[in-house]
Amino acid sequence: GENVEQHPSTLSVQEGDSAVIKCTYSDSASNYFPWYKQELGKGPQLIIDIRSNVGEKKDQRIAVTLNKTAKHFSLHITETQPEDSAVYFCAASDTNSGYALNFGKGTSLLVTP
Amino acid sequence: EAGVAQSPRYKIIEKRQSVAFWCNPISGHATLYWYQQILGQGPKLLIQFQNNGVVDDSQLPKDRFSAERLKGVDSTLKIQPAKLEDSAVYLCASSLRMLNTEAFFGQGTRLTVV
Repeated sequence: GENVEQHPSTLSVQEGDSAVIKCTYSDSASNYFPWYKQELGKGPQLIIDIRSNVGEKKDQRIAVTLNKTAKHFSLHITETQPEDSAVYFCAASDTNSGYALNFGKGTSLLVTP
Repeated sequence: EAGVAQSPRYKIIEKRQSVAFWCNPISGHATLYWYQQILGQGPKLLIQFQNNGVVDDSQLPKDRFSAERLKGVDSTLKIQPAKLEDSAVYLCASSLRMLNTEAFFGQGTRLTVV
């Protein structure tokens, strides 16, 4: 099945700086790559997603890039704010599993004022 | 729009006891997922339904876990008997269809097995 690797596991940045989280995947047929934010005691919430026919997507301070050849994708958060502090998960669709999402292990992001 | 509803929010049981979790997906969503999230890890798929049929249950420990989605709407996940390593958050998610669409997650049920 699909294997998704995510790093770093923890990331601390100063407010206003940028944060970058990187993921790699193994299933070359995967074609959907969402990013989820999970706050304490809550379920994951989608913040941005990208499909394989697109190389980059941006939504205000958040952007995602996808390199299908290298099988990696990245999340970029600019002008970070304390409320961006949370755990972020990347995921990739598993074509061997009804296109269900396989998740990375998560990145705990801390934005300090 | 109402989100994915799960109950209970928390459950503490002794090992070898049984427990059941309930999920009500977003109205109209054909696909329903149960994920297990162990502390400090990403969600791991247990089972995926399309309407009331099972699409994938390859990672469901079938000797102790069972799930059903009667009438293609609500779903229940059961563990019997529970083991200490089943302590985790059980997340239910739903999506409009199987392929490449956003999965909406509920708040989860935190299970502690003592």
